[in-house]
Amino acid sequence: GAVVSQHPSWVICKSGTSVKIECRSLDFQATTMFWYRQFPKQSLMLMATSNEGSKATYEQGVEKDKFLINHASLTLSTLTVTSAHPEDSSFYICSARIGAGGYGYTFGSGTRLTVV
Amino acid sequence: DQQVKQNSPSLSVQEGRISILNCDYTNSMFDYFLWYKKYPAEGPTFLISISSIKDKNEDGRFTVFLNKSAKHLSLHIVPSQPGDSAVYFCAASGAGYALNFGKGTSLLVTP
Repeated sequence: GAVVSQHPSWVICKSGTSVKIECRSLDFQATTMFWYRQFPKQSLMLMATSNEGSKATYEQGVEKDKFLINHASLTLSTLTVTSAHPEDSSFYICSARIGAGGYGYTFGSGTRLTVV
Repeated sequence: DQQVKQNSPSLSVQEGRISILNCDYTNSMFDYFLWYKKYPAEGPTFLISISSIKDKNEDGRFTVFLNKSAKHLSLHIVPSQPGDSAVYFCAASGAGYALNFGKGTSLLVTP
């Protein structure tokens, strides 16, 4: 149970284009979704926290106009990388809390974005 | 500013021996700690967790120890198996609920 399905698993796009990454909670309702980014041999860095029906909260240094997050329903959150550049190439992972009041987390399988 | 630190980027252990992965944190507001295992190009897989009210939690071959005064936790894997070879992330959570991750330790268990 408590599975988050993330798509696509990998994507290659041209510089200047936009890419949308989707995370769907399959058997539970994800009130809060976290988006992380990982550079090679680096930590998973929190980019933003999205709550269903409200604006996402971005971490310091993350451009909210570049990384658009939409959490329109309890089962779907999307991250759109707009006007992508090669430096946006990274591994993006979503995560949702599971269990009311608990600290359980489940992760998507990640998206490898390469901007050429 | 890295609030969760894993100072050993890699560790090599012989099969059957104990693997000890260490993690330090700086934020005293963290009250829940988790260990994840991660393979390349995949999302992290939950291994074991511990809350700040405990100092030890055991699950099969995995044991996590928490030393709150030292702001230190460790993951022990006994006995280590080749299938344990992966990157292990330490993560901590506080009131904000988002996870703060260390940089990971790459564990290699050799036959």
